[in-house]
Amino acid sequence: DAKTTQPNSMESNEEEPVHLPCNHSTISGTDYIHWYRQLPSQGPEYVIHGLTSNVNNRMASLAIAEDRKSSTLILHRATLRDAAVYYCILRDVGSSNTGKLIFGQGTTLQVKP
Amino acid sequence: DVKVTQSSRYLVKRTGEKVFLECVQDMDHENMFWYRQDPGLGLRLIYFSYDVKMKEKGDIPEGYSVSREKKERFSLILESASTNQTSMYLCASSRYRSDGYTFGSGTRLTVV
Repeated sequence: DAKTTQPNSMESNEEEPVHLPCNHSTISGTDYIHWYRQLPSQGPEYVIHGLTSNVNNRMASLAIAEDRKSSTLILHRATLRDAAVYYCILRDVGSSNTGKLIFGQGTTLQVKP
Repeated sequence: DVKVTQSSRYLVKRTGEKVFLECVQDMDHENMFWYRQDPGLGLRLIYFSYDVKMKEKGDIPEGYSVSREKKERFSLILESASTNQTSMYLCASSRYRSDGYTFGSGTRLTVV
């Protein structure tokens, strides 16, 4: 399984944009880039995913490098409720794979008022 | 809104008991997964299923089994609970292999 590298922790101020980086230099052509977040005492929550093009949804934006070896999750205006552990995960959907998610340690985001 | 429901939020069982953790999804999803989460070890995949009556071992299947008799229900079974199976158990589902997962709220199991 291709691996991802994320910083252990990041800090942000409330109402400012946050850019969470992820490196995945060994990504394959059939790997989707997924982002999840986990608030304390809750199950992980899907945030966004993409393959090659940048993606936007109501929660966040995903910027994918042209060579796909890195990506950035963008929270446009951080709120205190965005404080969570953010996981960047590669999901292989090649024909021999069932697309299981393998979680790493993630980035703990602190949001300061 | 789509939902994955785990039958219990908290559970306390004795060593040696047979334990059933139930997970139900209402989204007609093909794929279902069981993870456990422990401090410092993150989420680890126990078993998954991509169709009724189908199951595949994840990374840590020892001591566990699963059952998927109906599409919407995926059960995790601890044949003989041990204290090292004390953990947070999380169920998830997805429609297609490329889709995002929907997770349940988790079951915190304590084996005494």
